[in-house]
Amino acid sequence: GESVGLHLPTLSVQEGDNSIINCAYSNSASDYFIWYKQESGKGPQFIIDIRSNMDKRQGQRVTVLLNKTVKHLSLQIAATQPGDSAVYFCAENNSGYSTLTFGKGTMLLVSP
Amino acid sequence: NAGVTQTPKFRVLKTGQSMTLLCAQDMNHEYMYWYRQDPGMGLRLIHYSVGEGTTAKGEVPDGYNVSRLKKQNFLLGLESAAPSQTSVYFCASSYWFGRSIDTQYFGPGTRLTVL
Repeated sequence: GESVGLHLPTLSVQEGDNSIINCAYSNSASDYFIWYKQESGKGPQFIIDIRSNMDKRQGQRVTVLLNKTVKHLSLQIAATQPGDSAVYFCAENNSGYSTLTFGKGTMLLVSP
Repeated sequence: NAGVTQTPKFRVLKTGQSMTLLCAQDMNHEYMYWYRQDPGMGLRLIHYSVGEGTTAKGEVPDGYNVSRLKKQNFLLGLESAAPSQTSVYFCASSYWFGRSIDTQYFGPGTRLTVL
């Protein structure tokens, strides 16, 4: 398998469970946040984003929660499926800057 | 739309050789980025470009050069490859809203091994 997952925090769940992946961000001025999914051997894939004027945003089976007070971001995946197994990254941006800062990622393992 | 494409997908170099990685996007994005990804290190920004003819250094620019001669293409060059440059390289692009960037869309990656 792809070695990107070495030494990453790992979350193991059973198929059908809900998963929660957490991310602590560093810059209190950040106002745009993104979650990416990276499957083995592939590039990161956009899942969902949220701007700082919101504290919750929902997509299909995914929800992102933003707590600016404690600089915390979470990704909730409902009814987790084996196809959700991947490394999940959060990224933050401060508007006016051209770049994203990425977290190191969490590996999600889903057992049938 | 093909999105973001990268050429080549795999490459093996000997120390001291040079090569160029090509990134192309068909989404008319202003911004383009080159990252490297190493085990346990996450994505680290090498160089980026906010428009045709402009480039800027990222977190780990040493040993790399870039060029953005056309809006849709962003080239990453290694003039004299070193084993420390063995990595997976990702290109990304994003739209600029005028106040902030939009999400970055990534290519499939280039796996480079330097012997």
